[in-house]
Amino acid sequence: DAGITQSPRHKVTETGTPVTLRCHQTENHRYMYWYRQDPGHGLRLIHYSYGVKDTDKGEVSDGYSVSRSKTEDFLLTLESATSSQTSVYFCAIGTSDTDTQYFGPGTRLTVL
Amino acid sequence: GENVEQHPSTLSVQEGDSAVIKCTYSDSASNYFPWYKQELGKRPQLIIDIRSNVGEKKDQRIAVTLNKTAKHFSLHITETQPEDSAVYFCAASKATGRRALTFGSGTRLQVQP
Repeated sequence: DAGITQSPRHKVTETGTPVTLRCHQTENHRYMYWYRQDPGHGLRLIHYSYGVKDTDKGEVSDGYSVSRSKTEDFLLTLESATSSQTSVYFCAIGTSDTDTQYFGPGTRLTVL
Repeated sequence: GENVEQHPSTLSVQEGDSAVIKCTYSDSASNYFPWYKQELGKRPQLIIDIRSNVGEKKDQRIAVTLNKTAKHFSLHITETQPEDSAVYFCAASKATGRRALTFGSGTRLQVQP
């Protein structure tokens, strides 16, 4: 597997609390992505980054924010978690010269 | 934006048979089409991909075909084995801009021994 880690791997939280998920890569890849996976929906793009401090929204960005202060780290924040954000979150990385993306191990988030 | 549809949602085959999964896409500018395999509780793993300048690509028992005119692409698995049982996702993206993948909704393949 590509050098991608996610933390935490599992988290249970309560509605209204802030949550931050971390994606860390050791590949020095330019592009990083956050997807969420829900039954019947495949994977859907939340936010992506095309460089340090360069981020943009995906299709399901409402309620989420991101930050990328270093090449290796891409943080996803749920400002005030809701039950609809219960999901499995995957980070992915991609190079500048190809379209190939590699996924991290995922974070299972449960919002009660 | 791009929309990718994937069929069937479930597929059951006997060991040794072939399996075919089909996807259609909407954006004619898409030019990269990967296939991922996801086992239960695991991350999606890239198994094969194809770019728009190629019509077919093969890697041992798996192959992908692309018809740009019709905007559809397919995954073919021959001589299926029980370890091929998983959920398979197709996706599409463009080589410009954000390069993010748009995924199909997945096909659960079950290979019966």
